[in-house]
Amino acid sequence: QQQVKQSPQSLIVQKGGISIINCAYENTAFDYFPWYQQFPGKGPALLIAIRPDVSEKKEGRFTISFNKSAKQFSLHIMDSQPGDSATYFCAASIKGNQGGKLIFGQGTELSVKP
Amino acid sequence: DAGITQSPRYKITETGRQVTLMCHQTWSHSYMFWYRQDLGHGLRLIYYSAAADITDKGEVPDGYVVSRSKTENFPLTLESATRSQTSVYFCASKVGSDTQYFGPGTRLTVL
Repeated sequence: QQQVKQSPQSLIVQKGGISIINCAYENTAFDYFPWYQQFPGKGPALLIAIRPDVSEKKEGRFTISFNKSAKQFSLHIMDSQPGDSATYFCAASIKGNQGGKLIFGQGTELSVKP
Repeated sequence: DAGITQSPRYKITETGRQVTLMCHQTWSHSYMFWYRQDLGHGLRLIYYSAAADITDKGEVPDGYVVSRSKTENFPLTLESATRSQTSVYFCASKVGSDTQYFGPGTRLTVL
């Protein structure tokens, strides 16, 4: 119930295309859903986050779509650029539970071809 | 510079040795976390701390010990390293109620 399942494991997209990464969860107590971006040799960095009372959140080229009834959320990267090539992690947490620890998905390695 | 620093960045040790990974943050955030990152598992919580002298176990605490005598430091000790502890270790701290900021990581190899 504490798991977050992420797909696909790897994704290759052409420059200018749309990258879509999906995550699913079981625990309906999760109340915070961030996406992290990680470049090789670096720590994860917060990209964008959403709460379950909102169905969509957009920041620049990055959009989170959230489907509470299906217990799924996804990251869309519009106009994908080679600089977006990185590993992306979805995560979920419950406020007040173990300090708000993050439960991470397995990660998606995105490669954007020029 | 403000932020989270981890040391060492790379460490090679042998089975059975004690190893301490250091984490230092300059923000005075209350919460700090240790995660390990392994291929196919994402990041998993080892230990976390709500404040100085308050620590608690996460998902995968076995074989690890933490302490937090000062707000800014949160060292992680492997008391007797095993090959299964070969991993990349990330320290994080939390501002406000949600956002966690991660350090650059320590790549540990246990031979």
